[in-house]
Amino acid sequence: ETGVTQSPTHLIKTRGQQVTLRCSSQSGHNTVSWYQQALGQGPQFIFQYYREEENGRGNFPPRFSGLQFPNYSSELNVNALELDDSALYLCASTLRQQAPSTDTQYFGPGTRLTVL
Amino acid sequence: ELKVEQNPLFLSMQEGKNYTIYCNYSTTSDRLYWYRQDPGKSLESLFVLLSNGAVKQEGRLMASLDTKARLSTLHITAAVHDLSATYFCAAYRGRSQGNLIFGKGTKLSVKP
Repeated sequence: ETGVTQSPTHLIKTRGQQVTLRCSSQSGHNTVSWYQQALGQGPQFIFQYYREEENGRGNFPPRFSGLQFPNYSSELNVNALELDDSALYLCASTLRQQAPSTDTQYFGPGTRLTVL
Repeated sequence: ELKVEQNPLFLSMQEGKNYTIYCNYSTTSDRLYWYRQDPGKSLESLFVLLSNGAVKQEGRLMASLDTKARLSTLHITAAVHDLSATYFCAAYRGRSQGNLIFGKGTKLSVKP
């Protein structure tokens, strides 16, 4: 177990709706990243938050947005859902330190989103 | 743009055999990660390789990194059924861009 939790586990939405996914980072981890993993593919980076500020974004439209809270939990919001948004959404937490470190990302179990 | 290619994408092995998964990346990256994913599950961190020539071993898995060739390998020794899973390599883009670029994964099936 990585100590990273996500909710809900599964979610079914219809096209055009909005969804919020939640992630609770490993204790003390100050960085959270979100990834989208389509069936049979590798995870694709959506964005990363470091100390509550967005710190890097992948090739995803603005309808994908996020928040990180002072307790290091975070949210991924997706507006105007499309069928292609159906995927496993993974969050990963990291302890970013000043000193060189591995910056290993510890992944949560994911939320399976189905858009009908 | 950093791209990561893995091969093979599918690998069917017999128990007891050895094999190697290859991971090539297109531009400089100062670290390389290997993850394992079981069906319907999340990603489990296996190895982090930080420097040229780095080699790490855990049980029947050994990972290495050649930064000059931009190549990492995951070698499987005397495969057992429990190793059946999908293995991903991921190259690191650095803190300013803060993310991992994943390969498509290698689906490994170990048969008796």
